[in-house]
Amino acid sequence: GAVVSQHPSRVICKSGTSVKIECRSLDFQATTMFWYRQFPKKSLMLMATSNEGSKATYEQGVEKDKFLINHASLTLSTLTVTSAHPEDSSFYICSASHRSGELFFGEGSRLTVL
Amino acid sequence: KQEVTQIPAALSVPEGENLVLNCSFTDSAIYNLQWFRQDPGKGLTSLLLIQSSQREQTSGRLNASLDKSSGRSTLYIAASQPGDSATYLCAVYNNAGNMLTFGGGTRLMVKP
Repeated sequence: GAVVSQHPSRVICKSGTSVKIECRSLDFQATTMFWYRQFPKKSLMLMATSNEGSKATYEQGVEKDKFLINHASLTLSTLTVTSAHPEDSSFYICSASHRSGELFFGEGSRLTVL
Repeated sequence: KQEVTQIPAALSVPEGENLVLNCSFTDSAIYNLQWFRQDPGKGLTSLLLIQSSQREQTSGRLNASLDKSSGRSTLYIAASQPGDSATYLCAVYNNAGNMLTFGGGTRLMVKP
């Protein structure tokens, strides 16, 4: 199947710093990418839908100034957690929409904010 | 608003058993339904994708069915193995193809 690469897989940062997570579709072009957050033992929560070349659409309750999403090309979307705080610690997962309609997911990024 | 429910939330079976995981959704106007597997601390792996016009898909020991009118899908795992232990998630894509809703998942433990 298609491959989606997410980087970094783990990141530890100090409170107040910003962290950027990359999501790349390696062997296909994805006009739409999705960003999810997952709390322990919970299912995925959609944060935002990212469309190439346009502004991301955020879900209700997700602060767009806190979670900056950029989808500059058909193979790359980035999520930047700005001024991170301990409550932002979580597992973040991206997915890319293949033209077949199937979604392929990255391996996830575990963020720990000290 | 679409709601997706998975039953059971957790399941423990001895190795070799055949098992069925259930997924139900409230809005039948879906584009497709996808089953995923998630290992602890890992991302999701796509298992099977069923388009709204299809009734089932098979891959190896896995078989997924879809009954759109009744809002149900099942994932059948034949001859379960310890390596099948993981959380299984189903997700439905709405008709516009721009919203994916996940179920809560079923945590499966297959004991040797």
